[in-house]
Amino acid sequence: GESVGLHLPTLSVQEGDNSIINCAYSNSASDYFIWYKQESGKGPQFIIDIRSNMDKRQGQRVTVLLNKTVKHLSLQIAATQPGDSAVYFCAETLGYRSSNTGKLIFGQGTTLQVKP
Amino acid sequence: DVKVTQSSRYLVKRTGEKVFLECVQDMDHENMFWYRQDPGLGLRLIYFSYDVKMKEKGDIPEGYSVSREKKERFSLILESASTNQTSMYLCASRPRGTKSPLHFGNGTRLTVT
Repeated sequence: GESVGLHLPTLSVQEGDNSIINCAYSNSASDYFIWYKQESGKGPQFIIDIRSNMDKRQGQRVTVLLNKTVKHLSLQIAATQPGDSAVYFCAETLGYRSSNTGKLIFGQGTTLQVKP
Repeated sequence: DVKVTQSSRYLVKRTGEKVFLECVQDMDHENMFWYRQDPGLGLRLIYFSYDVKMKEKGDIPEGYSVSREKKERFSLILESASTNQTSMYLCASRPRGTKSPLHFGNGTRLTVT
């Protein structure tokens, strides 16, 4: 069955360093991917997304890379700050019947810890 | 900004009670979703709705039902709460179509004793 997974449950980085969070997906037909950030006590917050016709997309301090050949997704955070400490989830979208809702499959999450 | 509001942040209910979790979104989104989030299990889809009065089961619908009488409101109902339904419940919405992110509320942490 389909699965979306993150390679590491916890990532610890020094403030100011770059962070890379990885995600593997198994469904080669997935065509849309999303990264979420979840802080303690809050719901997941959208960070950035990418469609399968792209390899790279940049936002403010974040970059998502998509490698469809090996079904791998990564989130890069530049100059990591204490406020970046959170759990990060990747998600892929599968088409769902005819209702066009795009059911999301979520990974388990990676906890990013930023050391001052 | 999209706002998804869940009516309660914390709820404590007794086994056997009927529980209503309410969710409202202000962006006229067609699709709304209920997930539960548990340590080690991630986010699991309970039910979703793609239009008023329309609903579809997700991956774990047993013990739950939903109601969507108005486009902006999606309710999750626990007909007879059980301790294994203690969890964080997250509501989300998105516009019709598959190429847009879900927007989540801040969750309701439900404890069933």
